[in-house]
Amino acid sequence: DAGVTQSPTHLIKTRGQHVTLRCSPISGHKSVSWYQQVLGQGPQFIFQYYEKEERGRGNFPDRFSARQFPNYSSELNVNALLLGDSALYLCASSLEGLGSYEQYFGPGTRLTVT
Amino acid sequence: KNQVEQSPQSLIILEGKNCTLQCNYTVSPFSNLRWYKQDTGRGPVSLTIMTFSENTKSNGRYTATLDADTKQSSLHITASQLSDSASYICVVSSSYSSASKIIFGSGTRLSIRP
Repeated sequence: DAGVTQSPTHLIKTRGQHVTLRCSPISGHKSVSWYQQVLGQGPQFIFQYYEKEERGRGNFPDRFSARQFPNYSSELNVNALLLGDSALYLCASSLEGLGSYEQYFGPGTRLTVT
Repeated sequence: KNQVEQSPQSLIILEGKNCTLQCNYTVSPFSNLRWYKQDTGRGPVSLTIMTFSENTKSNGRYTATLDADTKQSSLHITASQLSDSASYICVVSSSYSSASKIIFGSGTRLSIRP
């Protein structure tokens, strides 16, 4: 049974470019959350989606956007990349959107902005 | 301001010894508190999850406690093993209406020495 999968695993972009990261949740899970983890720090919450609707948003600029598809997979988009966007981007899925449902993390996408 | 603070920032102990990691939070309204273990370069893996009404939960050699009155939690590791070397992250979720917010601590970096 596959866990949470993310693609690509690594990515190198230059400042000003756009990037799209993808996440497939565990089969049957309806909620996907996105996190940014800068080296040496804990993850920062970016978005949570449940049943294709945004249910939570962290303190990130409008350059960050996301969406969830009918099959519950999700994309995170970042426009006008800055050097400070270099980080590990984690996706987590859970059965439902709210409450004490367990979150399962994917391996992450390592984004490097040069 | 919603915050999660962990201490110590880093810890080195000898194999076989016990240790306790601390987490203080100011997140409101409180929904649940989770402890995660994160190996370097990997996604976090859940250890425990506790709601408001729970004050202790165990997962093998890991025991988490929660004091919702003082807004403090601890993670106790018994008979440490070399494989326990990792970052341990405290995460507090806040759910209200149809939205949710998830706040991560910066983690405690634990190193087990043989």
